[in-house]
Amino acid sequence: SYVLTQAPSVSVAPGQTARITCGGNNIGSKSVHWYQQKPGQAPLLVVYDDTDRPLGIPERFSGSNSGNTATLTISRAEAGDEADYFCQIWDGSSDHQVFGPGTQVTVL
Amino acid sequence: QVQLVESGGALVRPGGSLRLSCEASGFTFSDYNMNWIRQVPGKGLEWVSYIISSSRHTSYADSVKGRFTISRDNAKNSLHLLMNSLTAEDTAIYYCARHKGGIASSIDFWGQGTLVTVSS
Repeated sequence: SYVLTQAPSVSVAPGQTARITCGGNNIGSKSVHWYQQKPGQAPLLVVYDDTDRPLGIPERFSGSNSGNTATLTISRAEAGDEADYFCQIWDGSSDHQVFGPGTQVTVL
Repeated sequence: QVQLVESGGALVRPGGSLRLSCEASGFTFSDYNMNWIRQVPGKGLEWVSYIISSSRHTSYADSVKGRFTISRDNAKNSLHLLMNSLTAEDTAIYYCARHKGGIASSIDFWGQGTLVTVSS
């Protein structure tokens, strides 16, 4: 089955840029979606179809996807961006939805 | 506004059964593909199952295939998950979640979850 990999944690200083990567075999051929989850809350979609943002999500959140790596970029990081971030794809071979293990983002 | 409200979570003995429900409102439920996704508190997200809008196709994670059954009632705007032969590894928060479009599309709305605890 298809496997997604993510670094367990990323730290970023306020105002700087955080890059969260999601690795997978030829992931560039798939649509990647990203979710933010804060403690005690349900996940929130922040980027879909590699690069698009839902209404209400700040432009500071952007995505890219090529080759074997998809990336969620948080520009001008704020304390409120501290959360776990999960990538997700649909694997057509298995007809399964697949989530990455998640990356904990700390703003300090 | 879109709302997904799960119910049915409980403490259940190993080997037992449980039926989760999700009541949908604020959108045309029969137009959307739906999922169940679970999460052990403090851990990652694990997809469990999806069902397409017409109910004609379903899919399950290997970890629950043969034990769990997803269903929906479009007339009642409800999604269900029947869970049999439960084990401690099924202990998690279970989220009802809506696909934005087709099966490869993002999951754009999530409920707040219902807790299932499997323990003797």
